[in-house]
Amino acid sequence: EAGVVQSPRYKIIEKKQPVAFWCNPISGHNTLYWYLQNLGQGPELLIRYENEEAVDDSQLPKDRFSAERLKGVDSTLKIQPAELGDSAVYLCASSFTSGSGELFFGEGSRLTVL
Amino acid sequence: GIQVEQSPPDLILQEGANSTLRCNFSDSVNNLQWFHQNPWGQLINLFYIPSGTKQNGRLSATTVATERYSLLYISSSQTTDSGVYFCAARYNFNKFYFGSGTKLNVKP
Repeated sequence: EAGVVQSPRYKIIEKKQPVAFWCNPISGHNTLYWYLQNLGQGPELLIRYENEEAVDDSQLPKDRFSAERLKGVDSTLKIQPAELGDSAVYLCASSFTSGSGELFFGEGSRLTVL
Repeated sequence: GIQVEQSPPDLILQEGANSTLRCNFSDSVNNLQWFHQNPWGQLINLFYIPSGTKQNGRLSATTVATERYSLLYISSSQTTDSGVYFCAARYNFNKFYFGSGTKLNVKP
């Protein structure tokens, strides 16, 4: 069974440019998460979806960040315009909403803003 | 939200040594997981352990939910065990709260 798939793995852009990250969760997982991880720190939640509904986006900087999960499966996280401080790893994770709700992560997308 | 504290923050071991990593959490949880972040940055699931004890090879974990802590044991450590170990906790199906991690360096 395929795990959580993310792309691109690495992205280097100049500040003020836009960037987008894509995530495909584990089949059947209706909860999808986007996390931000800065160097030396634990992951921090940006947004959580249950199916296509964003149920927790309180930590998403909405002035420049946006996310969508239109059909309740894959998701896209966008930053426009990117700032130097956005350099980090963007992690996607998924889980079932019921049962154990065990969390599984993708390999992450490492963003460098120059 | 739930406060999650991990200790120690850094740990250096000689290959073959044993170690115990601790995760304290501030509130009731019904999901507690341990992850290993490898040098390439991927978070690998080690244990889903809201209570009780589990073992997987040289690794084992114990969660005492009533006392709000979990322990991860690594026996006969190997260089491939190096990386950062995170615990994450949540109550019901709300957000997961992560600790700041334990950075382990196993030297040959």
